Amino acid sequence: GAGVSQSPSNKVTEKGKDVELRCDPISGHTALYWYRQSLGQGLEFLIYFQGNSAPDKSGLPSDRFSAERTGGSVSTLTIQRTQQEDSAVYLCASSLVINRGNTEAFFGQGTRLTVV
Amino acid sequence: GNSVTQMEGPVTLSEEAFLTINCTYTATGYPSLFWYVQYPGEGLQLLLKATKADDKGSNKGFEATYRKETTSFHLEKGSVQVSDSAVYFCALTPSGGYQKVTFGTGTKLQVIP
Repeated sequence: GAGVSQSPSNKVTEKGKDVELRCDPISGHTALYWYRQSLGQGLEFLIYFQGNSAPDKSGLPSDRFSAERTGGSVSTLTIQRTQQEDSAVYLCASSLVINRGNTEAFFGQGTRLTVV
Repeated sequence: GNSVTQMEGPVTLSEEAFLTINCTYTATGYPSLFWYVQYPGEGLQLLLKATKADDKGSNKGFEATYRKETTSFHLEKGSVQVSDSAVYFCALTPSGGYQKVTFGTGTKLQVIP
């Protein structure tokens, strides 16, 4: 497809279970972001991938959170031993990095995670 | 590091009122500046952007001017409509190198008839 695709769109899981959220960025985009957005709140940065550079993991809230990007394309965000406070919408975005830096980020529709 | 500060919300306006949402930034060099919008129940999308000093971005009646001297990129609209009710995010991308987008905290706008 032409846009950023995230799956699943909705996920309900039991507390303590692990979940994997998937992001398919726009083809050719070298940068990929994960954010979290709780109800009525702003964007919470989680992790940033740019090309072959080491990812910026500074936003991951705990060691239960991890993400990888395989082959510079698809990314998976994994949350281990989910807690109720992990309930939120997880947003993925991608962008085409160019020299000038005016790279617009394109967002997916998000995965709504509910931990019960 | 880079940062974006935007005015606290929520902002409530009557239809046809004038809108200003303030945004200031901290960054080295010449970043590119953006406003994103998130309508209720929808994903974030780019509203407008400006890539160099004194540029004016505009879209859907919204405007913002890149002010290097005041490190600002305030969003304005002369006459808001109910359909403009949304959350607005100011953002920047540094020039060159590591180009992680930095977002502000968002400002919720509610326009009442």
